[in-house]
Amino acid sequence: DSGVTQTPKHLITATGQRVTLRCSPRSGDLSVYWYQQSLDQGLQFLIQYYNGEERAKGNILERFSAQQFPDLHSELNLSSLELGDSALYFCASSAGAAVDYEQYFGPGTRLTVT
Amino acid sequence: DQQVKQNSPSLSVQEGRISILNCDYTNSMFDYFLWYKKYPAEGPTFLISISSIKDKNEDGRFTVFLNKSAKHLSLHIVPSQPGDSAVYFCAASGRYSGGGADGLTFGKGTHLIIQP
Repeated sequence: DSGVTQTPKHLITATGQRVTLRCSPRSGDLSVYWYQQSLDQGLQFLIQYYNGEERAKGNILERFSAQQFPDLHSELNLSSLELGDSALYFCASSAGAAVDYEQYFGPGTRLTVT
Repeated sequence: DQQVKQNSPSLSVQEGRISILNCDYTNSMFDYFLWYKKYPAEGPTFLISISSIKDKNEDGRFTVFLNKSAKHLSLHIVPSQPGDSAVYFCAASGRYSGGGADGLTFGKGTHLIIQP
């Protein structure tokens, strides 16, 4: 158990809908990262928050947004969903902002768009 | 365009022998490299890392080798054990060069199967 929790575990929704994925980092960790793992692309970095502020952005679509709240939990919002958004979404947390702090991954949320 | 490539989707090794997993990268700004291990229904877990100022890093049964001129790294597991059966991801970042975001760029993974 990494100490990172993600809810829900599974989500099935229709195209055009909007969903919110939630992540609670390990106790004491200030950084939260979001990754998308799809069958053809592997694990892709989406976005990082550090202590409530956006720190780095990867391949995140404009239809996706994220935030980190004062209690350090984070939410990833996915809107106008398309079939291609079906994937496993991982959250990871680390103690510091830089990438050489070990990232601890949650078990993921599996999103299926029908 | 894949910047981190793991060209072997799967690898089968006999228990007790050496497992060698390979990874190639194209972005010359990458200067920090990691290996993660993933079991089904779990998130990836960190295994070992190496920065570009080194060419080798060892941790118990796991050794990572970095060849900067070839833009190639490999993970050696000696001796291989049944519990090592998992998917292994290579990841990279431009941590020190500042050329990349502070997220990691992952390869697609290699499924290692340890045969008894």
